[in-house]
Amino acid sequence: DAKTTQPNSMESNEEEPVHLPCNHSTISGTDYIHWYRQLPSQGPEYVIHGLTSNVNNRMASLAIAEDRKSSTLILHRATLRDAAVYYCILRPLIGNDMRFGAGTRLTVKP
Amino acid sequence: EAQVTQNPRYLITVTGKKLTVTCSQNMNHEYMSWYRQDPGLGLRQIYYSMNVEVTDKGDVPEGYKVSRKEKRNFPLILESPSPNQTSLYFCASSLNPGLAGVVWFFGPGTRLTVL
Repeated sequence: DAKTTQPNSMESNEEEPVHLPCNHSTISGTDYIHWYRQLPSQGPEYVIHGLTSNVNNRMASLAIAEDRKSSTLILHRATLRDAAVYYCILRPLIGNDMRFGAGTRLTVKP
Repeated sequence: EAQVTQNPRYLITVTGKKLTVTCSQNMNHEYMSWYRQDPGLGLRQIYYSMNVEVTDKGDVPEGYKVSRKEKRNFPLILESPSPNQTSLYFCASSLNPGLAGVVWFFGPGTRLTVL
């Protein structure tokens, strides 16, 4: 399985943009890039996903490098509620599992 | 509201006393799965089910049983719990896990302590 590499932790100030990086140099051509987050004392929740093109939704934006070896989750204005562990996950075209790494713990300062 | 529910949310029990953690989803999802989360080890899959009456082992199935008699329910059974099963458990569901673009939904978690 292709692996992802994320920083262990990041800090942001409230109402500022946050860019969370993810490296996945061994990604295959059919792997989807998913982002989930886990708020304190909650289960993981879906944030966004994409294959090749950049994606936007109400929660965040996903910027995918042209060679697909890296991606960046962008929170446009961080709030205190965005403090969570963010997981970058590669989903193969065929597979029954969602493999979580260690993720990036985001701290948002008021 | 589309959701995955788990019960109980917290449970303290003793070694050897059989217990069941229930999981239910209201989205008519075919696929359901159980994970455990431990510090330093992340989330690991215990069992999964592709559809009714179809279950299979994940990465850490020892000491656990599951059943899928109805589409919406996927209980996790610990026949003889041991202290090493003290963990945070999550149930998940998705429409079809074979589709890489499909979103997964997770339950709120069950914190289990086995004394």
